[in-house]
Amino acid sequence: DIQMTQSPSTLSASVGDTVTITCRVSQSISTWLAWYQQKPGKAPRLLIFASSTLQPGVPSRFSGSGSGTEFTLTIFSLQPDDFATYYCQQYNSFSLFTFGPGTKVDVK
Amino acid sequence: QVQLQESGPGLVKPSESLSLTCTVSGASISAYYWSWIRQPPGKGLDWIGYIYFNGSTNYNPSLKSRVTISIDTSKKQFSLKVTSVTVADTAVYYCARVPIRMVRGDPLPGEYGMDVWGQGTSVTVSS
Repeated sequence: DIQMTQSPSTLSASVGDTVTITCRVSQSISTWLAWYQQKPGKAPRLLIFASSTLQPGVPSRFSGSGSGTEFTLTIFSLQPDDFATYYCQQYNSFSLFTFGPGTKVDVK
Repeated sequence: QVQLQESGPGLVKPSESLSLTCTVSGASISAYYWSWIRQPPGKGLDWIGYIYFNGSTNYNPSLKSRVTISIDTSKKQFSLKVTSVTVADTAVYYCARVPIRMVRGDPLPGEYGMDVWGQGTSVTVSS
């Protein structure tokens, strides 16, 4: 089974900060990784797919990178609307999906 | 505008089966894979499985023995059934659309993530 970790589990930040979330996968998945944002009581929203491609309509302050087993989501100039929980999700050669445990970005 | 809407009972008794339906509007059900995901209270997202319009499925190995996903293209609906439920199956259940990538003529899911989600439906397992 592929295992996924995210760090940190919680991140406290202020409006205007640049924040980075790391997602690690237990085996190489090339660039088959997506990032989602979820706010309380709401469905997740796709931000980035294929490691670094921004979903249409997503602000350009969101950026993804990485390949193989280590990936990052960076939010430049954090906005009030960005306080949420972020999940990575992988797709592997066995056609299975797995989500990371999540990173909560809250107000410092 | 693409919309997905989950429906089904909000309360299920332990040992019984949980059945949910997702109705698709604004998109061709034949052009995508369709997935179910759940989220226990206060916890993270858990992928359940997905289905293609031709009935091809793939499931989370941890749930595979209890889960069936089916599709009715004429009604533009796909469904989830979980058997022998316990309190651990209490969760918000989401349906989502999975865009396709073509690989040597075969439609495969995965590269484009899950781009449209339903609002979710809460299911409680309790006697």
